[in-house]
Amino acid sequence: ETGVTQTPRHLVMGMTNKKSLKCEQHLGHNAMYWYKQSAKKPLELMFVYNFKEQTENNSVPSRFSPECPNSSHLFLHLHTLQPEDSALYLCASSREGPSTDTQYFGPGTRLTVL
Amino acid sequence: GDSVTQMEGPVTLSEEAFLTINCTYTATGYPSLFWYVQYPGEGLQLLLKATKADDKGSNKGFEATYRKETTSFHLEKGSVQVSDSAVYFCALRGNQGGKLIFGQGTELSVKP
Repeated sequence: ETGVTQTPRHLVMGMTNKKSLKCEQHLGHNAMYWYKQSAKKPLELMFVYNFKEQTENNSVPSRFSPECPNSSHLFLHLHTLQPEDSALYLCASSREGPSTDTQYFGPGTRLTVL
Repeated sequence: GDSVTQMEGPVTLSEEAFLTINCTYTATGYPSLFWYVQYPGEGLQLLLKATKADDKGSNKGFEATYRKETTSFHLEKGSVQVSDSAVYFCALRGNQGGKLIFGQGTELSVKP
């Protein structure tokens, strides 16, 4: 238990569906991250939020839309996804921004797009 | 840009065998280096880290030494256990905005 929870743990959706992934951290951290983990590939950083402000967007397609209403919660809204978006989506948090601290990861949401 | 390369998996060992997972990196300046571990069904956890050349990170019997001359950070353990079965990720934090850059992961399977 790292103090970072993610729901749902598994999600199957069609290409026309709209769904959201949720991440919550109970560590009092100020920075939160979304990563995509695909088989046999390095983790890909998608978004970074620091003090609720988005500080990084790594050229992620607009069908992925993040939301950070406060420092404890992070969402990833999904719409009109493609089968190649199937992956494990990991949320992480750190006390300060990415250059200063260890990141703590949640267990991930396994997403399958049909 | 900065990058990390790990040895291909899966690596299969018998219990009590010696483990080495190779990791090399490319980076400008002086990155910090990390090993993360992902147990089945869980997220990544920091295993150990080293922030400058010749530093040795260690935790739970695992060790890795920051070798700037060979740009390497190989993970070692003298005697693995079945419970060490997991995916191991090497990572660096360099000068590109300070974000973590991961290798592709190496799966380790330890048999009784």
